Amino acid sequence: SAVISQKPSRDICQRGTSLTIQCQVDSQVTMMFWYRQQPGQSLTLIATANQGSEATYESGFVIDKFPISRPNLTFSTLTVSNMSPEDSSIYLCSVQGRKGPGVRQQFFGPGTRLTVL
Amino acid sequence: GDSVTQMEGPVTLSEEAFLTINCTYTATGYPSLFWYVQYPGEGLQLLLKATKADDKGSNKGFEATYRKETTSFHLEKGSVQVSDSAVYFCALSYMDTGRRALTFGSGTRLQVQP
Repeated sequence: SAVISQKPSRDICQRGTSLTIQCQVDSQVTMMFWYRQQPGQSLTLIATANQGSEATYESGFVIDKFPISRPNLTFSTLTVSNMSPEDSSIYLCSVQGRKGPGVRQQFFGPGTRLTVL
Repeated sequence: GDSVTQMEGPVTLSEEAFLTINCTYTATGYPSLFWYVQYPGEGLQLLLKATKADDKGSNKGFEATYRKETTSFHLEKGSVQVSDSAVYFCALSYMDTGRRALTFGSGTRLQVQP
């Protein structure tokens, strides 16, 4: 299994500022994913972070707004840039790992709760 | 593209009642199907999964069967408890090839009353 930690766990930010969220995994993983969960909504994939290459963004998400770094196989950051109240969400990091021999599973971090005023 | 549709909530049941949460999917390939649960104040957890047609996933008394003919993966439990109150998400992905990220349904909030 994979244990994922995120920092910060929550933050309250002012409009127009930026926040960088860190995701640390206790084992090496090839693919890391960043999701957003807006209040009362489901999870939406923002991008897939690949080590050694640029992140792959989903429709509706752009690199200028959500720059992602993936410097190694255990760490990634997501920056929410030039924030507005509409960016208030829970941001979750996820990885695909193995729960047992031949058993793949996606594991989720605890999330970062962001409130933009 | 792929999509997942869940029944809208909230679903309110009395303790020991039978639970069904409907989930249907649209997929271009042959995905794996999942149910995730989010308890109040906690992170997302995998509840159960099925990787191919006719597979039945089960955990904690919950079951779901991968029905290719009806493109469904309905979640069931014979007797719910207050502790089952949570939001349940149906999801799909291609775990070994192709798109590995999860596509989620909108979530269904379950409230179980004593």
